[in-house]
Amino acid sequence: NAGVMQNPRHLVRRRGQEARLRCSPMKGHSHVYWYRQLPEEGLKFMVYLQKENIIDESGMPKERFSAEFPKEGPSILRIQQVVRGDSAAYFCASSPLGHRENTEAFFGQGTRLTVV
Amino acid sequence: DQQVKQNSPSLSVQEGRISILNCDYTNSMFDYFLWYKKYPAEGPTFLISISSIKDKNEDGRFTVFLNKSAKHLSLHIVPSQPGDSAVYFCAARPIGGATNKLIFGTGTLLAVQP
Repeated sequence: NAGVMQNPRHLVRRRGQEARLRCSPMKGHSHVYWYRQLPEEGLKFMVYLQKENIIDESGMPKERFSAEFPKEGPSILRIQQVVRGDSAAYFCASSPLGHRENTEAFFGQGTRLTVV
Repeated sequence: DQQVKQNSPSLSVQEGRISILNCDYTNSMFDYFLWYKKYPAEGPTFLISISSIKDKNEDGRFTVFLNKSAKHLSLHIVPSQPGDSAVYFCAARPIGGATNKLIFGTGTLLAVQP
């Protein structure tokens, strides 16, 4: 049973380009969380999705960032018109159950985005 | 506004001794606390958790203590092993929030010397 798969592991984008980060949850998991870790900081919650639904996007910047988790395929975190401040490690986590069931989430290895 | 704080960026311990990692929180509206371990270039791995209605949870070499009056939790690792060397994050779950919508501290780098 493969773990949470994130790709690419490393992504370099020039300012103004788009970045697409992919996350395939563990088999049987239908809940996905995205976190961002800026240098020297802890992980910060961005968005929580179930299949085809955004449940909580309270941690997402208001502009340029979007996320989806389609019925088929991986979850995608999309950053439009990237700026240097978007450089960070982006982690995806998945769990089989959602609200209040006290099940831990399993994290992927992350995508390290560098904006040059 | 850092609601979960790990004030020690790093800690060095001899192999076989006890490692104590500390975490403070400023908000009483958390119902669950977790510790994660992270190696370089990997994602965080869940280690141990504690409900806010408990004051201690133990799992093998790892014990988490929660002091609600002081808004403080700690992770004890006994005995420490070189393989424990990693960054340790404490995390808290807000009451009413989704299971894995967590607030993380900034991490403590533990180095266990052979």
